[in-house]
Amino acid sequence: AQTVTQSQPEMSVQEAETVTLSCTYDTSESDYYLFWYKQPPSRQMILVIRQEAYKQQNATENRFSVNFQKAAKSFSLKISDSQLGDAAMYFCAYWGNNNDMRFGAGTRLTVKP
Amino acid sequence: EAGVAQSPRYKIIEKRQSVAFWCNPISGHATLYWYQQILGQGPKLLIQFQNNGVVDDSQLPKDRFSAERLKGVDSTLKIQPAKLEDSAVYLCASSPTFGGEKLFFGSGTQLSVL
Repeated sequence: AQTVTQSQPEMSVQEAETVTLSCTYDTSESDYYLFWYKQPPSRQMILVIRQEAYKQQNATENRFSVNFQKAAKSFSLKISDSQLGDAAMYFCAYWGNNNDMRFGAGTRLTVKP
Repeated sequence: EAGVAQSPRYKIIEKRQSVAFWCNPISGHATLYWYQQILGQGPKLLIQFQNNGVVDDSQLPKDRFSAERLKGVDSTLKIQPAKLEDSAVYLCASSPTFGGEKLFFGSGTQLSVL
């Protein structure tokens, strides 16, 4: 079964600085998708960034970028120029052949002014 | 475009009582999911519908949980009787296609079982 591991329960960053959130996963599949979701106190899961496993190029969305290492099964999220609004829970997620989104346990990000 | 609607937003019940949650997915979305998110954990799939048929309910505790999707649109998730360990946020998500990885989430229902 596919598993997703986020080893950092909490992270903090100074406003305008850069922070990296870690994620590793376990799978025997070759074709899959990886995601980072943001969950603010409103509880709604908001898609931050999406990576297709067959693409070697790392995905970027404005201040958000990923470091996708397929062989190492690693998928980290880098947030540049952190803003107060970035504070939230961040979940790494895996989508494979089961058509089921598998989530990690999450990382709580605090942004200090 | 309206998002995924869920109600109620909060629910507090005593153990052994019954409770129901409602979800209205984005119009035209064929696939609907219910997830359970226990405090400090990521969401876990309970059940997946394709139109009004169940695709996967392998992780649904069927002795107490039930779900239906009326006419392939709205869905209701019920717990009867509730246990303390059912305290969680129940998230509904929908997707425009079956097998598609683009999920749209609602804001969830936070259930507290006392």
